[in-house]
Amino acid sequence: DTEVTQTPKHLVMGMTNKKSLKCEQHMGHRAMYWYKQKAKKPPELMFVYSYEKLSINESVPSRFSPECPNSSLLNLHLHALQPEDSALYLCASSLLTASNEQFFGPGTRLTVL
Amino acid sequence: DQQVKQNSPSLSVQEGRISILNCDYTNSMFDYFLWYKKYPAEGPTFLISISSIKDKNEDGRFTVFLNKSAKHLSLHIVPSQPGDSAVYFCAARDSGGGADGLTFGKGTHLIIQP
Repeated sequence: DTEVTQTPKHLVMGMTNKKSLKCEQHMGHRAMYWYKQKAKKPPELMFVYSYEKLSINESVPSRFSPECPNSSLLNLHLHALQPEDSALYLCASSLLTASNEQFFGPGTRLTVL
Repeated sequence: DQQVKQNSPSLSVQEGRISILNCDYTNSMFDYFLWYKKYPAEGPTFLISISSIKDKNEDGRFTVFLNKSAKHLSLHIVPSQPGDSAVYFCAARDSGGGADGLTFGKGTHLIIQP
């Protein structure tokens, strides 16, 4: 299994909803990442997990809450989002945080109403 | 302040000809560079990379050139094929900097015309 999967593919939520994005990989990678990509912009790093521990939080608002329950899974819990949080959320993994190549999932297209 | 710049939002090339995608960077600490290809509704797919100790890396139809003094890299695709039509992102990494994410350019939309 050489891919990163993400669910759901699309998500529409209201500003008072609580939802979660899920990411999974079975490549034995110990580093996992969340990126956010707005339209016509490059992906921007949000969080980095290394060996299931959060190692980097790039000043992301607390309404985004990451969780890494095990080495294969990465979640992003969403609560009280704003319409400007609408974006494509990409999950990626790499063998280690020191590894250069990161492998991306297909993303979740999030719309906040 | 954009540290990785792709100044051409789009590029149109005829099938069979060479496609050249350009990327400039400003952070001299970047020491590893990657190109990703992205189709609509899919995540970026790793294409080819180059370490700063090299000036060229080749993989089949894809060659990446790095000019460290000019802080410039380019991706050459030859011959270009219709399936190459996609958005290409240049990305860079400072492997010693402790920031483990990739810094991406805005992307260039490559259109291969038959």
